[in-house]
Amino acid sequence: GQNIDQPTEMTATEGAIVQINCTYQTSGFNGLFWYQQHAGEAPTFLSYNVLDGLEEKGRFSSFLSRSKGYSYLLLKELQMKDSASYLCAVRRYNNNDMRFGAGTRLTVKP
Amino acid sequence: DGGITQSPKYLFRKEGQNVTLSCEQNLNHDAMYWYRQDPGQGLRLIYYSQIVNDFQKGDIAEGYSVSREKKESFPLTVTSAQKNPTAFYLCASSSGTSLSYEQYFGPGTRLTVT
Repeated sequence: GQNIDQPTEMTATEGAIVQINCTYQTSGFNGLFWYQQHAGEAPTFLSYNVLDGLEEKGRFSSFLSRSKGYSYLLLKELQMKDSASYLCAVRRYNNNDMRFGAGTRLTVKP
Repeated sequence: DGGITQSPKYLFRKEGQNVTLSCEQNLNHDAMYWYRQDPGQGLRLIYYSQIVNDFQKGDIAEGYSVSREKKESFPLTVTSAQKNPTAFYLCASSSGTSLSYEQYFGPGTRLTVT
């Protein structure tokens, strides 16, 4: 089987930094993705990690440790528009086998 | 502008009726996918297609059917056999030329069956 776990909800303050964790158990690991999804809208791609380490893209960074089955998404200089759900997804074996976590709903407060 | 379109955004049907959700993409992507999203749960794969005239079942294909007659189009039919059809349905596509093969999602169709 495959488990992907992430916190259900988080709250942070505008201008601050927040880290959203994701742990997974899977065989045939072939990449980890983070998506952002605003309420009632489509998920949009944020980041991709397949090797261990940190990938930085502007205010967003994503980290992966394959040996620990662990990833995090780091959001810096939080803005109100960052309030959304953040989905962790793991790809197995081939490009079509993608499994999603339930998502972390982030609320940014003034 | 390239992208994925799904229509309509909201759809209401009576129990016992089949309903077809449309998904069109002009990204020239080979692979297309259908997911279902329920509150508090992750996206679950219904069907996917890697090339025209070929498709495979995902984790929750029962009660659904698809076709892939054109590269641009991947319609999903929710049949009366689907026991709990009310959900948010998302279509996605991906390209074999992208190193990460990330999936691009359409805006979704929220189906309510009463």
